[in-house]
Amino acid sequence: KAGVTQTPRYLIKTRGQQVTLSCSPISGHRSVSWYQQTPGQGLQFLFEYFSETQRNKGNFPGRFSGRQFSNSRSEMNVSTLELGDSALYLCASSSEWGWSEAEVTDTQYFGPGTRLTVL
Amino acid sequence: AQSVAQPEDQVNVAEGNPLTVKCTYSVSGNPYLFWYVQYPNRGLQFLLKYITGDNLVKGSYGFEAEFNKSQTSFHLKKPSALVSDSALYFCAVRDNAGNNRKLIWGLGTSLAVNP
Repeated sequence: KAGVTQTPRYLIKTRGQQVTLSCSPISGHRSVSWYQQTPGQGLQFLFEYFSETQRNKGNFPGRFSGRQFSNSRSEMNVSTLELGDSALYLCASSSEWGWSEAEVTDTQYFGPGTRLTVL
Repeated sequence: AQSVAQPEDQVNVAEGNPLTVKCTYSVSGNPYLFWYVQYPNRGLQFLLKYITGDNLVKGSYGFEAEFNKSQTSFHLKKPSALVSDSALYFCAVRDNAGNNRKLIWGLGTSLAVNP
């Protein structure tokens, strides 16, 4: 099986612009989570999608948004970019979503990330 | 509130020696614990997880982790380190209490294995 893919791998933008990042989960996986990784803050959870619905959201401003399509592919958008948005954005997929032990303990598999640099 | 601590920013070990990367956690319910590794310019790779049962969990690349409920720890170990094990290691936890499914992550520990 192919792994999680993210496009583009690298992106350079200037302040005030907007950006869209894409994530294709492992075939058959229906849950997608997004994280922002920076050296000082570690992995910060952005949001989680399942069945085209946002199921969970982290503490990020409204400039950060996302969506999931019927084929489970997901996109995240950042509008009005700020210098502090420079980070590695990671997407992770898992097979299901829910509250059973099997679902809560389901493993997340990560893509290689998109390195966003805001100038 | 859930939390994870990786008390060491960096661990240095000589090749061939055993390695330990420490992780402690705090959760309300039963903990589900994960270890991931990140190589430079790569995403995170899953190593192993603890759900329930045997306190010693074996994972990928010869790594194992020991769950200790009384010490609320889940330390990652390997009997003999390789230079290629040099990477950033992350511990994460999720519990079965409340209605929050978020994985809570430690800040990572940089492992350097010296030849």
